[in-house]
Amino acid sequence: SQQGEEDPQALSIQEGENATMNCSYKTSINNLQWYRQNSGRGLVHLILIRSNEREKHSGRLRVTLDTSKKSSSLLITASRAADTASYFCATGGAQKLVFGQGTRLTINP
Amino acid sequence: GAGVSQSPSNKVTEKGKDVELRCDPISGHTALYWYRQSLGQGLEFLIYFQGNSAPDKSGLPSDRFSAERTGGSVSTLTIQRTQQEDSAVYLCASSFGGRQGGTEAFFGQGTRLTVV
Repeated sequence: SQQGEEDPQALSIQEGENATMNCSYKTSINNLQWYRQNSGRGLVHLILIRSNEREKHSGRLRVTLDTSKKSSSLLITASRAADTASYFCATGGAQKLVFGQGTRLTINP
Repeated sequence: GAGVSQSPSNKVTEKGKDVELRCDPISGHTALYWYRQSLGQGLEFLIYFQGNSAPDKSGLPSDRFSAERTGGSVSTLTIQRTQQEDSAVYLCASSFGGRQGGTEAFFGQGTRLTVV
């Protein structure tokens, strides 16, 4: 079974708008990571947030983590057509990385 | 190149045949992961290697699936007596596998397996 669950499963917005995706998980974690996948092949790491951090920024990305609610959110500001992809959260515990089902983001021109 | 390399990129096989999928991780990475992804779905964890520790095989779906990692580097995922439901993209990733676990993972481009 998957550790993380992303919400929504699919999101379609206009270029320039902000996109927010959420991730919920079940067990304690050391860190939470977000990845992007284009065209159903390899994933690319976007950002990692540790369990003792609450917010992290990287360019147009903002990630929050609420360990009390076991949830995280990924915000992409000023979206671009190139942001169209699937986004996955992954939780890292003592060992393996476990991924959620992903959010399919479509940016409309 | 310095990335994770998987071969073959595509594999078509007949039902009942065995297949071997190869993964060359990034040099120096102690952790290696195999995942399976069906069309439009999430990543299903298969197996995890970390250094010299016993691998975590908890995600292997049946005893037809096995994996090895030789010399702490190259890994081979073997599927015996393939079935049509084995058709998927098989993704390999590697990382430094820090003590805190789950450091940034680098993915290969995957092997698309089609069982006909």
